Amino acid sequence: GDSVTQMEGPVTLSEEAFLTINCTYTATGYPSLFWYVQYPGEGLQLLLKATKADDKGSNKGFEATYRKETTSFHLEKGSVQVSDSAVYFCALSGGGSEKLVFGKGTKLTVNP
Amino acid sequence: DGGITQSPKYLFRKEGQNVTLSCEQNLNHDAMYWYRQDPGQGLRLIYYSQIVNDFQKGDIAEGYSVSREKKESFPLTVTSAQKNPTAFYLCASGDRKDSNQPQHFGDGTRLSIL
Repeated sequence: GDSVTQMEGPVTLSEEAFLTINCTYTATGYPSLFWYVQYPGEGLQLLLKATKADDKGSNKGFEATYRKETTSFHLEKGSVQVSDSAVYFCALSGGGSEKLVFGKGTKLTVNP
Repeated sequence: DGGITQSPKYLFRKEGQNVTLSCEQNLNHDAMYWYRQDPGQGLRLIYYSQIVNDFQKGDIAEGYSVSREKKESFPLTVTSAQKNPTAFYLCASGDRKDSNQPQHFGDGTRLSIL
């Protein structure tokens, strides 16, 4: 079945550092790909998405590019802030199913 | 504003007790979902419903039950058969006609055992 693998955390960075969180997927067909963010004690919020190969999703300085050849959707940000501290989830949907398949999440802590 | 409301925010269960978590949405979405979140395990799908009066088991349905009598509501009951209910429960809704649209999430209910 479909699956998502993302890098294990936790990740700890200093403010203004560069962030990469790796995400790879296995799916039949052509899934849509998503990054969700969860702040402490809250539900998940959509951060960005890409619906076809070579699409780049972007929001709040975060970017991810849908790479079909490497089945990847890595999340990047050039300069993180303390307020970016959260858990980030990579997810996919599609192939005839509206269900989301999530990675296990990566906890990011940004120190001042 | 449109969104998903989960209640209560915190819930405590005694041994042998059933408890029900509420989830209401005003987004006019057909599909609704319940997930369980445990530390280090990501989100696991408990049940989902694509239309009123119909629902399907997800990956970890044992010890849980749901109903979908109204489009707006999808309550989850954690039964006494669920031996390890302590977790963070998230409800979501989505537009099943378009798998490119993301699911929208509530703020969750944290369930603990007394």
